Amino acid sequence: GAVVSQHPSRVICKSGTSVKIECRSLDFQATTMFWYRQFPKKSLMLMATSNEGSKATYEQGVEKDKFLINHASLTLSTLTVTSAHPEDSSFYICSARGPAAYEQYFGPGTRLTVT
Amino acid sequence: EDKVVQSPLSLVVHEGDTVTLNCSYEVTNFRSLLWYKQEKKAPTFLFMLTSSGIEKKSGRLSSILDKKELFSILNITATQTGDSAVYLCAVKMAALYYYRLNYQLIWGAGTKLIIKP
Repeated sequence: GAVVSQHPSRVICKSGTSVKIECRSLDFQATTMFWYRQFPKKSLMLMATSNEGSKATYEQGVEKDKFLINHASLTLSTLTVTSAHPEDSSFYICSARGPAAYEQYFGPGTRLTVT
Repeated sequence: EDKVVQSPLSLVVHEGDTVTLNCSYEVTNFRSLLWYKQEKKAPTFLFMLTSSGIEKKSGRLSSILDKKELFSILNITATQTGDSAVYLCAVKMAALYYYRLNYQLIWGAGTKLIIKP
């Protein structure tokens, strides 16, 4: 089946630095990828929708200058958390829309810890 | 290889019917199993199961985990059209990442449930 990978799976960075998280669709081309943040009570919040070759669409309340999204190819989207703060510490999950519009495959997540 | 398999992939029933969705898994270092309902934007959290045999209920939805047989079911009774959605199962597993304990979510492909009026 379709597989989505994320790298790194865990990252610890210092406050003020930037960190990049990659999301790859391994065996299909994804014109659309999604970035989520998981909160302690397991709920997922959609941060942005990433479309290949165009600007990402951010959800209300998500700072686009802080969470930079680049969808440079049909198999790769990146999320860069700029000037990270401890409150950015979270579990970030990406998903990719599969060949059929109703299919969506989720990545394993990346745990970000900002010290 | 760690994997989570949901069945059926899609299901069409009539309002009022009861449905059972299945999620089986093979993962190392199992920690918990999560059920989500996805309609539009982000998946909505339904249940987290960690112990075998203990049913969790929320209204018409209930779920149970069998850690011996490695599966979980999600039941929806007296279905309504608003229950139409994709139901996702994810298993949280522990893994070492550069000698540090880390967690990963292994997701099923989802079951697309359609409730006809």
